[in-house]
Amino acid sequence: DAKTTQPTSMDCAEGRAANLPCNHSTISGNEYVYWYRQIHSQGPQYIIHGLKNNETNEMASLIITEDRKSSTLILPHATLRDTAVYYCIASMNRDDKIIFGKGTRLHILP
Amino acid sequence: NAGVMQNPRHLVRRRGQEARLRCSPMKGHSHVYWYRQLPEEGLKFMVYLQKENIIDESGMPKERFSAEFPKEGPSILRIQQVVRGDSAAYFCASSPGTLGQEQFFGPGTRLTVL
Repeated sequence: DAKTTQPTSMDCAEGRAANLPCNHSTISGNEYVYWYRQIHSQGPQYIIHGLKNNETNEMASLIITEDRKSSTLILPHATLRDTAVYYCIASMNRDDKIIFGKGTRLHILP
Repeated sequence: NAGVMQNPRHLVRRRGQEARLRCSPMKGHSHVYWYRQLPEEGLKFMVYLQKENIIDESGMPKERFSAEFPKEGPSILRIQQVVRGDSAAYFCASSPGTLGQEQFFGPGTRLTVL
């Protein structure tokens, strides 16, 4: 799995869009980018994944650069319940184990 | 469709006792994964199982830890002769194992060793 780099922490005002960056400069062509989050003490929650194209679902949008070396997770209207640690993972096989890094601790400010 | 279920949610054991953690995957899921999260640390992969088979146990400690996923019933993570350093949150995840789906996590079992 390719190594990913994320900021340690970020703040975002409630109601604003939260943009979480992730660098994965060594990603290979067949590796997907996944995002999970862990709200305090709960089990991790899958958010979104993508390969080349931008993706959107009911939770978030994923923007992947054309060279695939970085991506951004966008929470369009952050709420206090979005306060969590967000993990960006680059992996070839979604059936394989997830190697979690340290993630980004996102604080949503009222 | 119920999510991944884990029990017990909290487990207290004294040093030297055995701990058994159970995980019932989502309906239709045949792949189970166990992860451990030590206090104030990140999630670490432990073991990946399919029905009756261990596929990847590269994250399992060499001694005292074992896991199974029988043909019938939940997956079991077993820790023998627990020590204080085993105190952690243990999370189970499942996936359907077809076309590469994302993993769905349970609420975790918090093990405290006294």
